[in-house]
Amino acid sequence: GAGVSQSPRYKVAKRGQDVALRCDPISGHVSLFWYQQALGQGPEFLTYFQNEAQLDKSGLPSDRFFAERPEGSVSTLKIQRTQQEDSAVYLCASSLKGGSRTVSGANVLTFGAGSRLTVL
Amino acid sequence: AQSVTQLGSHVSVSEGALVLLRCNYSSSVPPYLFWYVQYPNQGLQLLLKYTTGATLVKGINGFEAEFKKSETSFHLTKPSAHMSDAAEYFCAVSPFNNAGNMLTFGGGTRLMVKP
Repeated sequence: GAGVSQSPRYKVAKRGQDVALRCDPISGHVSLFWYQQALGQGPEFLTYFQNEAQLDKSGLPSDRFFAERPEGSVSTLKIQRTQQEDSAVYLCASSLKGGSRTVSGANVLTFGAGSRLTVL
Repeated sequence: AQSVTQLGSHVSVSEGALVLLRCNYSSSVPPYLFWYVQYPNQGLQLLLKYTTGATLVKGINGFEAEFKKSETSFHLTKPSAHMSDAAEYFCAVSPFNNAGNMLTFGGGTRLMVKP
């Protein structure tokens, strides 16, 4: 598609339920990022993939959070046993290139519209 | 390590007035700097970026920002606000040598434009 697509756009879960959030990056984009944006705050880094390899997962808040990108395109962020503090917008972003920067400069991230998770 | 501070979580201006949104950063290595805009229920859209070269960067919708290394600042400006500029604005930094383009965001500034 033309942009980064995320689904579902809205998800309401009862505390303790598992949820799965999907991200379809721009076709051919190598890098994929997940960010968490709590209400009234800036996005915070969760994890980063280059193709199918998860190169950085330092931002995942607990072992209840798990992300995968098995074929190097679509990614899924899974949250097990959801808690109220997990309520946030989860943003996915992709960029064309990965690895070290090119001489011409930074590779721009394109963001999806996000998945808003509300845990009751 | 890097961090971003946006002074003022809310800024209100009149239509036609100057817009100034402040951003200061800290980074242990030369940074790349970005401004993103977020409209309600939408994703982040890139306004402009500074990588190397000219320190005054022009972006979309008439916005521009100036990288001032001595002040570790990257303030966003627009000479004349329009009602459609009302949105949340985020400043972000990425280290020059970061292999993966990971961005660290500020807390955001909500811009309100009064008629």
